[in-house]
Amino acid sequence: GAGVSQSPSNKVTEKGKDVELRCDPISGHTALYWYRQSLGQGLEFLIYFQGNSAPDKSGLPSDRFSAERTGGSVSTLTIQRTQQEDSAVYLCASTQQGGTEAFFGQGTRLTVV
Amino acid sequence: DQQVKQNSPSLSVQEGRISILNCDYTNSMFDYFLWYKKYPAEGPTFLISISSIKDKNEDGRFTVFLNKSAKHLSLHIVPSQPGDSAVYFCAARGGSARQLTFGSGTQLTVLP
Repeated sequence: GAGVSQSPSNKVTEKGKDVELRCDPISGHTALYWYRQSLGQGLEFLIYFQGNSAPDKSGLPSDRFSAERTGGSVSTLTIQRTQQEDSAVYLCASTQQGGTEAFFGQGTRLTVV
Repeated sequence: DQQVKQNSPSLSVQEGRISILNCDYTNSMFDYFLWYKKYPAEGPTFLISISSIKDKNEDGRFTVFLNKSAKHLSLHIVPSQPGDSAVYFCAARGGSARQLTFGSGTQLTVLP
């Protein structure tokens, strides 16, 4: 596709439920990132995938968070047993091989009630 | 531990004047710096970048300056336009980490 696509654009879920957020990166981009932005905060790094290398999970806030990237393309971020503090905009970005500029999707606004 | 800091949460300037957005960092291993602009309900969009081996990069109305000794970078927008009103994030990459580390953002408002 022309840009990074994220779905859903908005998600409201009840506390304790699991959610899955999807990211389709720009075709051919080898690196994929997940960030989140809580209200009034900056962008918090969550996880980074680069090609076939082991992902950098150093930003995941707890073991309730996990992500996978299938076939080197689409990625899914899963949050288990959601809590109210998980409410944020979750942003996905991708970068081409050797590139430095990350291109972001429009984000998924997650609200845990 | 904030490695990238934007100490001004907001900035207002008159249309036509210069906007200067500032960013400080602590990690001397950062080798690349970027500025992103973000409108409400949209993802951040890339604006301009600079390698650590340079001290200035210019693209139209936008210029980024890097002072490595002070671990400081700034984004100059001149002349400022109302459409420039957005949140501006600085970001840095470096060392073994390939992810971008972002500052907390500065809300720029350009007054007509």
